[in-house]
Amino acid sequence: NAGVTQTPKFRILKIGQSMTLQCTQDMNHNYMYWYRQDPGMGLKLIYYSVGAGITDKGEVPNGYNVSRSTTEDFPLRLELAAPSQTSVYFCASIPGQGIEKLFFGSGTQLSVL
Amino acid sequence: QKEVEQNSGPLSVPEGAIASLNCTYSDRVSQSFFWYRQYSGKSPELIMSIYSNGDKEDGRFTAQLNKASQYVSLLIRDSQPSDSATYLCAVSGYQGAQKLVFGQGTRLTINP
Repeated sequence: NAGVTQTPKFRILKIGQSMTLQCTQDMNHNYMYWYRQDPGMGLKLIYYSVGAGITDKGEVPNGYNVSRSTTEDFPLRLELAAPSQTSVYFCASIPGQGIEKLFFGSGTQLSVL
Repeated sequence: QKEVEQNSGPLSVPEGAIASLNCTYSDRVSQSFFWYRQYSGKSPELIMSIYSNGDKEDGRFTAQLNKASQYVSLLIRDSQPSDSATYLCAVSGYQGAQKLVFGQGTRLTINP
């Protein structure tokens, strides 16, 4: 099992550009999450999904969109990139309800200039 | 008031000493509590989980939970330079069991 895979690992965007951060997991986990981590800070929840076709907002959803068409994939879309979205983005998953260990991807470092 | 609050440090501890990391949370209905370790440039990794009041020990790590005081701590005994990392406190059950809310993390440095 590869676990949780995120692509790309690094990306530089210009203000106003759009991009999609990819996240896929091969563990058949139902719950998936997107977090962002600003320098020297903890993780902030952007969006999460409890299964295919079901998504919900976290603490900091503005400027982002998600979709969950399959159990495996949970892409995060940035429509109009802003400098405030410069951050490290982590995708994570758990098997089902009742959080125990979060399985994290390796992260995507995004800079918006 | 922040939902999950930690002293951001940095916390400097000599090798072999006990490192004590603290965390407070604001929501009394919180049910599950976790400590994650994050090395620079890496993803967080779970090192301890605790669900009921009292102490839970795993090797050199001890998690302590006091729900009445809304307080959770992590003790690291016989600290090693490899323990130098950022430690993130995380709490679930806040605004729904499916969400895990993180503190800002405490940066710990173990000095040889």
